[in-house]
Amino acid sequence: QQQVKQSPQSLIVQKGGISIINCAYENTAFDYFPWYQQFPGKGPALLIAIRPDVSEKKEGRFTISFNKSAKQFSLHIMDSQPGDSATYFCAASKSGNTGKLIFGQGTTLQVKP
Amino acid sequence: NAGVMQNPRHLVRRRGQEARLRCSPMKGHSHVYWYRQLPEEGLKFMVYLQKENIIDESGMPKERFSAEFPKEGPSILRIQQVVRGDSAAYFCASSEDENTEAFFGQGTRLTVV
Repeated sequence: QQQVKQSPQSLIVQKGGISIINCAYENTAFDYFPWYQQFPGKGPALLIAIRPDVSEKKEGRFTISFNKSAKQFSLHIMDSQPGDSATYFCAASKSGNTGKLIFGQGTTLQVKP
Repeated sequence: NAGVMQNPRHLVRRRGQEARLRCSPMKGHSHVYWYRQLPEEGLKFMVYLQKENIIDESGMPKERFSAEFPKEGPSILRIQQVVRGDSAAYFCASSEDENTEAFFGQGTRLTVV
């Protein structure tokens, strides 16, 4: 019940295309859903986060879509660029303990020029 | 405003030695979280600390691992009598409070030889 399942494991997208990464969770107590971007040898960097009171949040080229009834959320990267090539992790946690994150397994994104 | 600072960035220990990993949270942050990332895997929560208190250590192995966050100075993750299976990247994150986003450091990559 504590798991967060992420797919796909890897993704190859052409420059300018849309990258879509999906996550599903089981624990309905989760109410904070961030996405992190990690480059090789670096720490995870917070990209964007959403709470269940909204169904979508957009920041620049990055959009989170959230479906509370399906217990799913996804990251869309519009106009993908080679510099977006990295590993992306979705995560979930509960209010009052947002730093205790349950991470997905990660998606390695490669954007081809 | 400096980010989360971790040192050392790389640490090599022989089996049976002790490893000490240090984490200085972001300025103004009093909540610290430690995570472990095994090769090709996502991050796993280990422990959550506030100044002088361990709040949640549900992800810590029962033996050889300990963590502290003293009133003065950085948080320390200590691994005694290291074994090869302890080889991993250890990340520290900090947050301002229990309801705000967590920011990660660059990690310490521990190699046990």
